Amino acid sequence: DAMVIQNPRYQVTQFGKPVTLSCSQTLNHNVMYWYQQKSSQAPKLLFHYYDKDFNNEADTPDNFQSRRPNTSFCFLDIRSPGLGDAAMYLCATSSGTSGGYEQYFGPGTRLTVT
Amino acid sequence: AQSVTQLDSHVSVSEGTPVLLRCNYSSSYSPSLFWYVQHPNKGLQLLLKYTSAATLVKGINGFEAEFKKSETSFHLTKPSAHMSDAAEYFCVVSDHPLSGTYKYIFGTGTRLKVLA
Repeated sequence: DAMVIQNPRYQVTQFGKPVTLSCSQTLNHNVMYWYQQKSSQAPKLLFHYYDKDFNNEADTPDNFQSRRPNTSFCFLDIRSPGLGDAAMYLCATSSGTSGGYEQYFGPGTRLTVT
Repeated sequence: AQSVTQLDSHVSVSEGTPVLLRCNYSSSYSPSLFWYVQHPNKGLQLLLKYTSAATLVKGINGFEAEFKKSETSFHLTKPSAHMSDAAEYFCVVSDHPLSGTYKYIFGTGTRLKVLA
């Protein structure tokens, strides 16, 4: 029954060591999103894909990259994590074409940078 | 341009009393509006949504919200708070699909505390 799956749920990485977070969906949605959420703050959009069309937010650091190899999967790569990148990373999807247009969120990946 | 304002960063209620979480929005189009709930270290769960149908929207766990265009508001209510309602609540607005973008704008969140 799981619809948006994120792996791993908890990730510890070292300062400057590249890390990849994974998201998959079983909803066949066109749009996938990556958000960064720090403690007691709203989610902050990093980027989103409509199919393979990539949309980067203007204030997303270059240190953050994303890949969407197919409809089901999307990856967030952090090339050189800094201490300030420690956060919850949320993946979400939306239909983009029909339905109530709501977003469906995964459970998140908690990233710790040591 | 879209924006959303959650008027209270923290709300405390006693168990069994009504809950009111306030949200005002701004949109260039007829918006879609959503309330999400987030429990600690969890993802976001949709409580309810407004997408230009009935203005009074009922959601899960006894929550409801009323879309008031004249007041540009979409306040979330529940008649009787339960301890399990303690969480962070986000009001979200989207102009999709009319605007041609696929973005959702989040309010800053309201932390609901329920007192025994």
